[in-house]
Amino acid sequence: DTGVSQDPRHKITKRGQNVTFRCDPISEHNRLYWYRQTLGQGPEFLTYFQNEAQLEKSRLLSDRFSAERPKGSFSTLEIQRTEQGDSAMYLCASTSVLYEQYFGPGTRLTVT
Amino acid sequence: EDKVVQSPLSLVVHEGDTVTLNCSYEVTNFRSLLWYKQEKKAPTFLFMLTSSGIEKKSGRLSSILDKKELFSILNITATQTGDSAVYLCAVGGPLNEKLTFGTGTRLTIIP
Repeated sequence: DTGVSQDPRHKITKRGQNVTFRCDPISEHNRLYWYRQTLGQGPEFLTYFQNEAQLEKSRLLSDRFSAERPKGSFSTLEIQRTEQGDSAMYLCASTSVLYEQYFGPGTRLTVT
Repeated sequence: EDKVVQSPLSLVVHEGDTVTLNCSYEVTNFRSLLWYKQEKKAPTFLFMLTSSGIEKKSGRLSSILDKKELFSILNITATQTGDSAVYLCAVGGPLNEKLTFGTGTRLTIIP
């Protein structure tokens, strides 16, 4: 399978714990995006990278959230001190600059 | 702030019917409008539209963009139960820096 992959697919954590998600984009894609989707809503943009550079962060991305793409390939999204409001599906997408974004299967986070 | 509004929010039809889903948008810098289908997992890409009046087709699905009136429609003919899903509309800026999504239309096809 040469699509976007994400790991883990599901994560249950207790409030206050830190969690980290990984995204592996389609290999030739230089752009990688993170979105968050809650029930009944469309995905909301969080941040994106071109190669290893983080070019934009949404104001939704509080200081508890950090994302990296150290070698311009896979990316990680870390949430520190999780809160119940962080429960959502975290989606990763990748593309080459002018083309459509392809999404991974998502990581469903539940904060108890 | 960029805004994408989809209608209806949900739609229930019988297999074989034709449906039209609507998407209107207000964005600062528009380059493209995209349609995605979302079943119980990640959105899967359907169409990307950048030019007004040019219909894109894929099997029973088709879509068209009106950049003057700032809307798009997605048509599905001869619907099948496998078409049941949430259909998401999104708009992208000139540098494809992010997509702004609508809340989606939940389509249910009754056999």
